[in-house]
Amino acid sequence: AQSVSQHNHHVILSEAASLELGCNYSYGGTVNLFWYVQYPGQHLQLLLKYFSGDPLVKGIKGFEAEFIKSKFSFNLRKPSVQWSDTAEYFCAVAFNDYKLSFGAGTTVTVRA
Amino acid sequence: DAMVIQNPRYQVTQFGKPVTLSCSQTLNHNVMYWYQQKSSQAPKLLFHYYDKDFNNEADTPDNFQSRRPNTSFCFLDIRSPGLGDAAMYLCATSRSNQPQHFGDGTRLSIL
Repeated sequence: AQSVSQHNHHVILSEAASLELGCNYSYGGTVNLFWYVQYPGQHLQLLLKYFSGDPLVKGIKGFEAEFIKSKFSFNLRKPSVQWSDTAEYFCAVAFNDYKLSFGAGTTVTVRA
Repeated sequence: DAMVIQNPRYQVTQFGKPVTLSCSQTLNHNVMYWYQQKSSQAPKLLFHYYDKDFNNEADTPDNFQSRRPNTSFCFLDIRSPGLGDAAMYLCATSRSNQPQHFGDGTRLSIL
């Protein structure tokens, strides 16, 4: 069955630390990949997406993600986090169509 | 300049009393989606409209229905809410397979 898994439920780190959130999916076909962020009290917002081309994609607010097809992974990274990056992060995958399957989310808490 | 607007932000209803949640969009997107999100869980797609075509997910309870009277509006009707239906309900829109834009959600509580 097609599924999306996020490795970490809750990540706590200090400002200026580097962040990497894991996302894996199970499906051998064509996928479109997304990371969404939900800041406290706000709606889900698109951070970045991958449809095709360069597997290293850059998004807003200094985030990037790398699609590794052989590992079925799409990990999110940021070299130096800020307190304002405190949010919940969702990986989402469109499996061969336009409907999204979401991972369970990772809560990121950045301590000042 | 909100683009996907959900009303109300908070809705309280009684067990078994029908409730309707609304969503409107200013993006002129052809696809509109409804998701249910329970605490600490992933958003779960309930159904979506691709243009006028309604698409129900296989595991969406019969208790949940939807209407899309025009491109801009979409409603989620819960005929007889149970305690297990308390959740955040998210509306999203997209242009075909492009990224989805989400509203702020409606948090539904059941008394």
